[in-house]
Amino acid sequence: RKEVEQDPGPFNVPEGATVAFNCTYSNSASQSFFWYRQDCRKEPKLLMSVYSSGNEDGRFTAQLNRASQYISLLIRDSKLSDSATYLCVVNRITDKLIFGTGTRLQVFP
Amino acid sequence: NAGVTQTPKFQVLKTGQSMTLQCAQDMNHNSMYWYRQDPGMGLRLIYYSASEGTTDKGEVPNGYNVSRLNKREFSLRLESAAPSQTSVYFCASRTGLAGRDTQYFGPGTRLTVL
Repeated sequence: RKEVEQDPGPFNVPEGATVAFNCTYSNSASQSFFWYRQDCRKEPKLLMSVYSSGNEDGRFTAQLNRASQYISLLIRDSKLSDSATYLCVVNRITDKLIFGTGTRLQVFP
Repeated sequence: NAGVTQTPKFQVLKTGQSMTLQCAQDMNHNSMYWYRQDPGMGLRLIYYSASEGTTDKGEVPNGYNVSRLNKREFSLRLESAAPSQTSVYFCASRTGLAGRDTQYFGPGTRLTVL
């Protein structure tokens, strides 16, 4: 079983829709959680960190559920420019980040 | 402030050839990383360096060597390239700051081994 698992998608949604991705992690010792965004043939970039209390950044909301060992990303009012692959990232008390394989989102007009 | 830079951007090798991928960061980060990304596999850690003078193996180190030349530079060497090493290689550095922990990636090197 992979340490971080994501539904690969693709999720095809119309502009303006709300879409949510989940990611599960297997190691209960995981300490830090992140969502990264990767555009086609580009490098990953940090979208947002995920805090225990949940956090919001504009149209994006991230939640952490430690009991069930999953994190989620909610995107409201989807834009065409949101089309990308979203990577779930987990860190234990080490210097290494563990990346999920990503969920692909395609927003259509 | 260039962030993380990588050279070359593209490379084609023949089986058995060697090459070094260069990476540099100008953000004064202690930690640096090399990943490979293959379709359906996500990012896999090859080697990392928590600080100048130290390196550690990641998930897929076989066939690779690294050098942390100084705080800025972290190079990845393929001594005898194999077709299985065809991939996109990303270098990254990390702030490691509590509350602002961010990993910054270079633009990647697309390597094909024939």
